[in-house]
Amino acid sequence: ETGVTQSPTHLIKTRGQQVTLRCSSQSGHNTVSWYQQALGQGPQFIFQYYREEENGRGNFPPRFSGLQFPNYSSELNVNALELDDSALYLCASRHPSWGYTFGSGTRLTVV
Amino acid sequence: DAKTTQPPSMDCAEGRAANLPCNHSTISGNEYVYWYRQIHSQGPQYIIHGLKNNETNEMASLIITEDRKSSTLILPHATLRDTAVYYCIVRVADYNNNDMRFGAGTRLTVKP
Repeated sequence: ETGVTQSPTHLIKTRGQQVTLRCSSQSGHNTVSWYQQALGQGPQFIFQYYREEENGRGNFPPRFSGLQFPNYSSELNVNALELDDSALYLCASRHPSWGYTFGSGTRLTVV
Repeated sequence: DAKTTQPPSMDCAEGRAANLPCNHSTISGNEYVYWYRQIHSQGPQYIIHGLKNNETNEMASLIITEDRKSSTLILPHATLRDTAVYYCIVRVADYNNNDMRFGAGTRLTVKP
């Protein structure tokens, strides 16, 4: 149990559809980040939210968007899904000792 | 953030020390060295971090060379459960910046 919970754990969507992934982090962790991890690769930074505003973004197109809520939960939304979007999506919140606490991820398969 | 170079894979015998190297020759003075690991089908797990002094916690030790261009993560008595991909990351310790640049990491296999 890391204190960061992601749902669902697995998901299958069709190309062109939209998907929403959810993350619940620990109370007081007001920064949340999302990562995409393709099979056999390290996680790639998508974006981060601080106090409900996006304040950092990696090399991902605008169809990847997010929300952060006052209750320390957040969402990752992906529109117009492509086959290459199939990956493990990880949520992370700041750990008190300057590290990260990651959730176990959502495995998204686009067919 | 500076780049890191790690061997793609390593083996270690159970009960022996596992020494995982990382090169970060372009590290800046204000960048820390972080280590994470990822066990299959789980999210990355924080192990340890340091700036220039050697660090030790209940999981591992981190040895940073004097010129800070390389470091070694040491798991003193590796177990089968330490089989994972280990990531070395260098970055500024920005309280509000969660942008971690992961490379491909080192796949450590602990063998009985």
